[in-house]
Amino acid sequence: GENVEQHPSTLSVQEGDSAVIKCTYSDSASNYFPWYKQELGKGPQLIIDIRSNVGEKKDQRIAVTLNKTAKHFSLHITETQPEDSAVYFCAATSFSNTGNQFYFGTGTSLTVIP
Amino acid sequence: GAGVSQSPSNKVTEKGKDVELRCDPISGHTALYWYRQSLGQGLEFLIYFQGNSAPDKSGLPSDRFSAERTGGSVSTLTIQRTQQEDSAVYLCASSRDSGDTQYFGPGTRLTVL
Repeated sequence: GENVEQHPSTLSVQEGDSAVIKCTYSDSASNYFPWYKQELGKGPQLIIDIRSNVGEKKDQRIAVTLNKTAKHFSLHITETQPEDSAVYFCAATSFSNTGNQFYFGTGTSLTVIP
Repeated sequence: GAGVSQSPSNKVTEKGKDVELRCDPISGHTALYWYRQSLGQGLEFLIYFQGNSAPDKSGLPSDRFSAERTGGSVSTLTIQRTQQEDSAVYLCASSRDSGDTQYFGPGTRLTVL
């Protein structure tokens, strides 16, 4: 099955700086890669996603890049703000006999220091 | 529109008791997932329902765990004879179809004393 690795596990940045979180996956059949943000006491919320036919996607201060050859994808947050502090999870879909499962990374705890 | 809802939000139980956790997915979503998240950890896949197909139970950690999805909508996760190591946040997610974006509920925090 799929194996998703996520780095770093914790990340601290100064407000206004950029933050980058990286994930690798093992199954070349994976074709959908969402990123989730989880604030304390809440469920994960989708913030951006990318499909395998696209190399980069941007939404305001958030961008995601995908390298299918190397099987890795990254989340980029620019001009970070204190409200960006949360745990971020990457995920990848991998086909199975019963449908598509999502495989999640272990999460990155981002702290933005004012 | 309403998102995924879960109940109860918090559940405290004694070791050995059975518990039922409920998930109401987004209306019209055919896929429903249960995950477990231990303190400070990632998301552990438990079980996945897709339409009328047999559920994928490959993530259930033991036979004390079971889940049903009635009428293709509401789902109940049941943990029998709870153990302290079952303490975690149980998250439910639904998607329009398998492989589509998953939308998560707020979770149920289970504490087994």
